[in-house]
Amino acid sequence: AQSVTQLGSHVSVSEGALVLLRCNYSSSVPPYLFWYVQYPNQGLQLLLKYTSAATLVKGINGFEAEFKKSETSFHLTKPSAHMSDAAEYFCAVSDRGNQGGKLIFGQGTELSVKP
Amino acid sequence: EAQVTQNPRYLITVTGKKLTVTCSQNMNHEYMSWYRQDPGLGLRQIYYSMNVEVTDKGDVPEGYKVSRKEKRNFPLILESPSPNQTSLYFCASSSDRYQETQYFGPGTRLLVL
Repeated sequence: AQSVTQLGSHVSVSEGALVLLRCNYSSSVPPYLFWYVQYPNQGLQLLLKYTSAATLVKGINGFEAEFKKSETSFHLTKPSAHMSDAAEYFCAVSDRGNQGGKLIFGQGTELSVKP
Repeated sequence: EAQVTQNPRYLITVTGKKLTVTCSQNMNHEYMSWYRQDPGLGLRQIYYSMNVEVTDKGDVPEGYKVSRKEKRNFPLILESPSPNQTSLYFCASSSDRYQETQYFGPGTRLLVL
């Protein structure tokens, strides 16, 4: 069975500081991994995805994530936080044992950015 | 513009009163899902559909029904809502089961009194 764990339900950084949101996964098959962002009162928007190509994946808004098989991790980073990055972030793995394309989500990490 | 739409966006109802949340996508996607989002639990799949007339249960299907009579529409039906179904609901669609992006609707916030 596949699962996702996000370490830290709340992360607070200062504007201009490094953003690091942690995600670890468990999967018995090579995983497809995703990061989604949810702004207040909005749906989820894809930031980036890993589907077995390059291990360093670049996404929108300056975010990137690195797939590390040895650590079963897919941490999300951004070199310099902006106030507009304040949102909730979800890591997800595609359940490849499910016929209907289910995503298994982590619990979410709320990012706050201080001026 | 490619999008998934849901209606209504907000709904307050009472226990036992049947309701339907509509979902429509304009991307000709085969795969559609309903998720519910609860604090500390992330999103959990309720039902999914692989194509017209093909649906199956997700992780938390109790108390919900779905139908897929047309490719673009995937309504979620609560026959007899209960307070534990108070949640934020998202519809999503995708062109592929596993690798491709799921596009999410804006969400429906439901309160059952």
